[in-house]
Amino acid sequence: DAGITQSPRHKVTETGTPVTLRCHQTENHRYMYWYRQDPGHGLRLIHYSYGVKDTDKGEVSDGYSVSRSKTEDFLLTLESATSSQTSVYFCAISEGHEQYFGPGTRLTVT
Amino acid sequence: RKEVEQDPGPFNVPEGATVAFNCTYSNSASQSFFWYRQDCRKEPKLLMSVYSSGNEDGRFTAQLNRASQYISLLIRDSKLSDSATYLCVVNFNQAGTALIFGKGTTLSVSS
Repeated sequence: DAGITQSPRHKVTETGTPVTLRCHQTENHRYMYWYRQDPGHGLRLIHYSYGVKDTDKGEVSDGYSVSRSKTEDFLLTLESATSSQTSVYFCAISEGHEQYFGPGTRLTVT
Repeated sequence: RKEVEQDPGPFNVPEGATVAFNCTYSNSASQSFFWYRQDCRKEPKLLMSVYSSGNEDGRFTAQLNRASQYISLLIRDSKLSDSATYLCVVNFNQAGTALIFGKGTTLSVSS
């Protein structure tokens, strides 16, 4: 257990509304990641963080922003949700090159 | 483009069977390699890191062939509980921040 929680676990929202997903870890890991998983695709990296206030874009960052004001929390924000952002979102931490995942957030944009 | 390719399956096998999954990757400079297991509607969980010399963990054996850019996972004496999707994952940079995931291979073990 890597001590990762995600909230909310499920969310239904309307197109155009802002949404923030939270990832919380208890073990002081430096690196944190946000991925999305969709049918027909492998997990794809949205953004990652390598320390407080240090973030970088991943493969599918358009339409998403992130913030990390504390080591333990990494927030993913959809400024104006679109139906194409309906997905399962996973947070992860890394220990060396191995990554460990949170339980996921299932987001539906209607 | 960095890619990881897997046979999606499904692989349907009886209990006790031996089954092998293969994975190919596109970038010869890849740094590290992993197999993850994902159950339906759950998060991926690390099954094994794959080392150059190959490694074994109980019924599971992973092999890496850098020359052919190929990774394999062998499961012996399959159990019902092995039914899941197996993800091949390749890291493409030294920092460990560039993991590329295959789409997964589905295994169904039946009694």
